[in-house]
Amino acid sequence: NAGVTQTPKFQVLKTGQSMTLQCAQDMNHEYMSWYRQDPGMGLRLIHYSVGAGITDQGEVPNGYNVSRSTTEDFPLRLLSAAPSQTSVYFCASSYSGTRVNTEAFFGQGTRLTVV
Amino acid sequence: DAKTTQPPSMDCAEGRAANLPCNHSTISGNEYVYWYRQIHSQGPQYIIHGLKNNETNEMASLIITEDRKSSTLILPHATLRDTAVYYCIVRVVGGGATNKLIFGTGTLLAVQP
Repeated sequence: NAGVTQTPKFQVLKTGQSMTLQCAQDMNHEYMSWYRQDPGMGLRLIHYSVGAGITDQGEVPNGYNVSRSTTEDFPLRLLSAAPSQTSVYFCASSYSGTRVNTEAFFGQGTRLTVV
Repeated sequence: DAKTTQPPSMDCAEGRAANLPCNHSTISGNEYVYWYRQIHSQGPQYIIHGLKNNETNEMASLIITEDRKSSTLILPHATLRDTAVYYCIVRVVGGGATNKLIFGTGTLLAVQP
């Protein structure tokens, strides 16, 4: 198993550009989520999905879109990049929350700089 | 989900036990306590979880007080590689629950040689 794979690892964008951060998991997990982490801070939840075709907003959803067309993939789209979106982005996956043993697996992060 | 409170930082000597406290005084009956850690800029890593009994695995032990309002994560023999930010998270488990993890700012554990 590859676990949770995020691409790209690094990205520099100009203000106003759009891009998609990719996240894929091969563990057949129902639940996937995106977080951002700013320097010296904890992770903040952007969007999450409890299964294919179902997404919901987290704590800081503005400026981001998601979709979940397959169990494996959960891309995060930045519609019009702003310097405030400079951050490290983490994708996570796990089995559904109805199970107790729902260890979440995280990707290695995408470091995004918006200039 | 209940909020948690952790000290911002702690030091521990290498080879000694590291005891990381967490306060979750508003925890409800169907909420579990989870611990994750994040080693310098990597993705967070699961450590352990529990409901009301003490738990132990190959990484750590989790002690939950009888009233469940606080818990302690114990790393029995800390090494330099245990230097990380440790997050205590309370999460609802059961019908209709998601696996939404809400992170606080955690405790930065610095293991000293």
